[in-house]
Amino acid sequence: DVKVTQSSRYLVKRTGEKVFLECVQDMDHENMFWYRQDPGLGLRLIYFSYDVKMKEKGDIPEGYSVSREKKERFSLILESASTNQTSMYLCASSFTGTGTYEQYFGPGTRLTVT
Amino acid sequence: GIQVEQSPPDLILQEGANSTLRCNFSDSVNNLQWFHQNPWGQLINLFYIPSGTKQNGRLSATTVATERYSLLYISSSQTTDSGVYFCAVNTFYDKVIFGPGTSLSVIP
Repeated sequence: DVKVTQSSRYLVKRTGEKVFLECVQDMDHENMFWYRQDPGLGLRLIYFSYDVKMKEKGDIPEGYSVSREKKERFSLILESASTNQTSMYLCASSFTGTGTYEQYFGPGTRLTVT
Repeated sequence: GIQVEQSPPDLILQEGANSTLRCNFSDSVNNLQWFHQNPWGQLINLFYIPSGTKQNGRLSATTVATERYSLLYISSSQTTDSGVYFCAVNTFYDKVIFGPGTSLSVIP
């Protein structure tokens, strides 16, 4: 079974702090994604990566950056956390080889910025 | 871009009842997935079903790609089926588009 793990289930940070959210997948997937989910707004894509050291902006990249130094790990960075970044953050991965792009999600991180 | 609609937006069922959730999409797609988001927020893969019919226990899904819709059937519903059900589609090399979800509550 595909397993995607995220570093924290719940996180509380203060405004202005630098925040790291980590995601690790164990199935050698090329593609990895970061989404945020907010009530009434659904899932929105922040960034994605289709290879090591590659990254592409999603729909709402402002205020975020990412890092992918190893194939299995994709980090989301909030350079200076703000209260409007309080949200549920979901990581996903998918495999390109079969052309299915079937996505598998981690358990999510509920981030609160105070 | 592709638009995805889901119906109904909310559904309340008595335990043991059956239900059908619908997903409509506005253009041809290569991939379609159904997810269940449990009360703790995790998205669980239910089906990868760009076309045809699949069954897994009490759940089954059918996608009619030529008519641009997919149906998720839940039979003999249980309280653990509660949560939000999402349909997600994409074309090759394009990002995944999620529908707004159907919120299901199963009451004992």
